[in-house]
Amino acid sequence: NFLLTQPHSVSESPGKTVTISCTRSSGSIASNYVQWYQQRPGSSPTTVIYEDNHRPSGVPDRFSGSIDYSSNSASLTISGLKTEDEADYYCQSYDSSNLWVFGGGTKLTVL
Amino acid sequence: EVQLVQSGAEVKKPGESLKISCKGSGYRFSNHWIGWVRQMPGKGLEWMGIIYPGDSDTRYSPSFQGQVTISVDKSISTAYLQWSSLKASDTAMYYCARVVTTTNWFDPWGQGTLVTVSS
Repeated sequence: NFLLTQPHSVSESPGKTVTISCTRSSGSIASNYVQWYQQRPGSSPTTVIYEDNHRPSGVPDRFSGSIDYSSNSASLTISGLKTEDEADYYCQSYDSSNLWVFGGGTKLTVL
Repeated sequence: EVQLVQSGAEVKKPGESLKISCKGSGYRFSNHWIGWVRQMPGKGLEWMGIIYPGDSDTRYSPSFQGQVTISVDKSISTAYLQWSSLKASDTAMYYCARVVTTTNWFDPWGQGTLVTVSS
């Protein structure tokens, strides 16, 4: 099994760019795809990035995902921040022992 | 539109049993795994287990094995999560979500069922 570690919180101003990291503790980040879910207060999670860097229809292109093999991590980047982006963000991957793993979540504050 | 609709909030006492539901629509329910995810108050997401409605094949997270039972009635496109004896520590929001099995992620998610266990 492995862990996915995210920063507890990040904050940035409207219009700026923020990046949230998700570091895999063991095994290669390339072993399985990474997804990112957005959870606004009082709502269920929704997918903003799937399969490392793909956006579902309806998700603005301000959201992008990437993989850094050197640091064994995935990143979610949100550019042109809007107040509506304020939410918790979770990364998620999969283990070959049939386990779905979530990161601990990052609270994004747009101030 | 693919949709998962969960049963309403529950308030129970410790030791009581409970079964919550998740009804799928807008797709062939039998052909897609359904997962359950727990979110304790103020905490993150935890994968509990999955079930394949076609044959009721079920997999549990080691953390939840023996603590809950996942089942399905494919004739009414509904998956279930049940407890035989609730504890206060089971107080949480519970989400169901369809599994995208080709690449192992969850989409869409149900609206969640809040379970409160208190004496």
